[in-house]
Amino acid sequence: QQQVKQSPQSLIVQKGGISIINCAYENTAFDYFPWYQQFPGKGPALLIAIRPDVSEKKEGRFTISFNKSAKQFSLHIMDSQPGDSATYFCDYSGNTPLVFGKGTRLSVIA
Amino acid sequence: DTGVSQDPRHKITKRGQNVTFRCDPISEHNRLYWYRQTLGQGPEFLTYFQNEAQLEKSRLLSDRFSAERPKGSFSTLEIQRTEQGDSAMYLCASSYGGADTQYFGPGTRLTVL
Repeated sequence: QQQVKQSPQSLIVQKGGISIINCAYENTAFDYFPWYQQFPGKGPALLIAIRPDVSEKKEGRFTISFNKSAKQFSLHIMDSQPGDSATYFCDYSGNTPLVFGKGTRLSVIA
Repeated sequence: DTGVSQDPRHKITKRGQNVTFRCDPISEHNRLYWYRQTLGQGPEFLTYFQNEAQLEKSRLLSDRFSAERPKGSFSTLEIQRTEQGDSAMYLCASSYGGADTQYFGPGTRLTVL
């Protein structure tokens, strides 16, 4: 099974700062790159996803960028808020079922 | 609420007992997935159904685990002769088709004493 390379494992950001989480993939045949957000005690929820025909997608404060040559996609959270404190997972299966790594625990402090 | 629901939300059992969890997917979704999540890890795939057919099972799904989706609607996950290592959050998700977004339920937290 492919290994997910998500980094960092944990991240502490000041309120208003930018949070950046990276995910590296191996299989260039993948065509769907999602990020999931999970709050404690809840199931994960799709936050934002990108297909490789575009290099960037923005939804509110969340931006996903895709670097095909580096085989990496990143999540940027602008103006990070305490409510963004959660664990973020990329899925590196490119397919069904989802395959997650350990995730990145984000803490946004005031 | 028209999201994915799971019952019970919490289950405490003694080692060796059998437990059964239920998942009700979003009504029009034909795919239903079970995942297991332990502390500090991401969810790990267990099995999934398309309608009533169980299409794939993970190696994590030992013979003590069985899942059903008899009428292509709700699903049950049974664990027989529970072990302490079964303690985890069991998550259910559903989607309309394989390429669609998976919507997760709140999970059932199992504690095996």
